[in-house]
Amino acid sequence: DAKTTQPNSMESNEEEPVHLPCNHSTISGTDYIHWYRQLPSQGPEYVIHGLTSNVNNRMASLAIAEDRKSSTLILHRATLRDAAVYYCILRDETEGSGGYNKLIFGAGTRLAVHP
Amino acid sequence: GAGVSQSPSNKVTEKGKDVELRCDPISGHTALYWYRQSLGQGLEFLIYFQGNSAPDKSGLPSDRFSAERTGGSVSTLTIQRTQQEDSAVYLCASSLDRTNSPLHFGNGTRLTVT
Repeated sequence: DAKTTQPNSMESNEEEPVHLPCNHSTISGTDYIHWYRQLPSQGPEYVIHGLTSNVNNRMASLAIAEDRKSSTLILHRATLRDAAVYYCILRDETEGSGGYNKLIFGAGTRLAVHP
Repeated sequence: GAGVSQSPSNKVTEKGKDVELRCDPISGHTALYWYRQSLGQGLEFLIYFQGNSAPDKSGLPSDRFSAERTGGSVSTLTIQRTQQEDSAVYLCASSLDRTNSPLHFGNGTRLTVT
């Protein structure tokens, strides 16, 4: 499986934007970039995913580098409830590859949000 | 709507005993996954079920671990002869069987082996 690299931790102040980076230099053409987050004492929850183009949804934006070797999850205005561990995961969506059978989680980035 | 439900939420057992953990996936979700998360660690994939296909058991750490999914719905993860290193949060997730379908996780079962 292609690997991702994320900083262990980041900090932000409330109501400021947060940019969470992820490096995936060995990404293949069929890998989608998925982001999940895990709030304290909860299971992970889906945030966003993309392939090549930047993506926006109600939770966040995903900016993908032109060469796809890195991406950035953007929280436009951090709130205290955004304090969580954020996971960047590559998922091979080729039918029959078995890739979308499972997500392989790394250590993620622990985001602290200060009032 | 109802999310993924796991029971029990907490389980304390003595070393050497068998335990069963239950997962009720979201209705209509054909894919079901088990992960475990040790204290302060990331998620470790255990097993994956998809419809009537043979499960992907590649993540099971030993033959003491097994899982079933009956009728394509409820799943049970069984750990035999529990060891202290089995202590962790066991998470279940389900998804539709479609490209990029997100996983929906339950809140897990916290297993403590004494």
